[in-house]
Amino acid sequence: EAGVAQSPRYKIIEKRQSVAFWCNPISGHATLYWYQQILGQGPKLLIQFQNNGVVDDSQLPKDRFSAERLKGVDSTLKIQPAKLEDSAVYLCASSSFERSGHTDTQYFGPGTRLTVL
Amino acid sequence: RKEVEQDPGPFNVPEGATVAFNCTYSNSASQSFFWYRQDCRKEPKLLMSVYSSGNEDGRFTAQLNRASQYISLLIRDSKLSDSATYLCVVNPMNTGFQKLVFGTGTRLLVSP
Repeated sequence: EAGVAQSPRYKIIEKRQSVAFWCNPISGHATLYWYQQILGQGPKLLIQFQNNGVVDDSQLPKDRFSAERLKGVDSTLKIQPAKLEDSAVYLCASSSFERSGHTDTQYFGPGTRLTVL
Repeated sequence: RKEVEQDPGPFNVPEGATVAFNCTYSNSASQSFFWYRQDCRKEPKLLMSVYSSGNEDGRFTAQLNRASQYISLLIRDSKLSDSATYLCVVNPMNTGFQKLVFGTGTRLLVSP
């Protein structure tokens, strides 16, 4: 079974530039997550999709970050404009589906390492 | 107070040692608990779920204390390959939606 795919793996940009990350989840996984992991910290959830609908985007800085999951499969996360503090690894994860009272395993992609200069 | 708190370490232990990590969580209504492992510059991977009755997987034992709101991970007979960061993870929601909250991780270094 193919894992979660992400691209690019690395990106270096200057502040105020725009950047986009792409994620393709495991086939058949209804739920997709974007996390931000700053060096020395655990991953922080930015946004969660169930199929193509947003379940939770409470920690997404909506003035500069946006995400979409058209057709309920792959997803893009965009930052516009980038700030120095956005330097981090952006991890995409997917899980099979949500059932009340049950937590399905999240599978992570390799991440995109963003450096903002 | 952070939702999930861990000692960042590092914990430096020799091969063969037993080492234990603890983690505390703030939301008493939290439903699910996990330990994830993250190797340097790699993605997190599920190590094991944590059940109320405690559970064991080979050299790894996880325990949950709901009354004190802490989770533990015990590693016996440490191997060099156990060197990694161990992330304590909690699902604080009881709505059925899975929202994982990660601790900062505890770094383990196993030396020869």
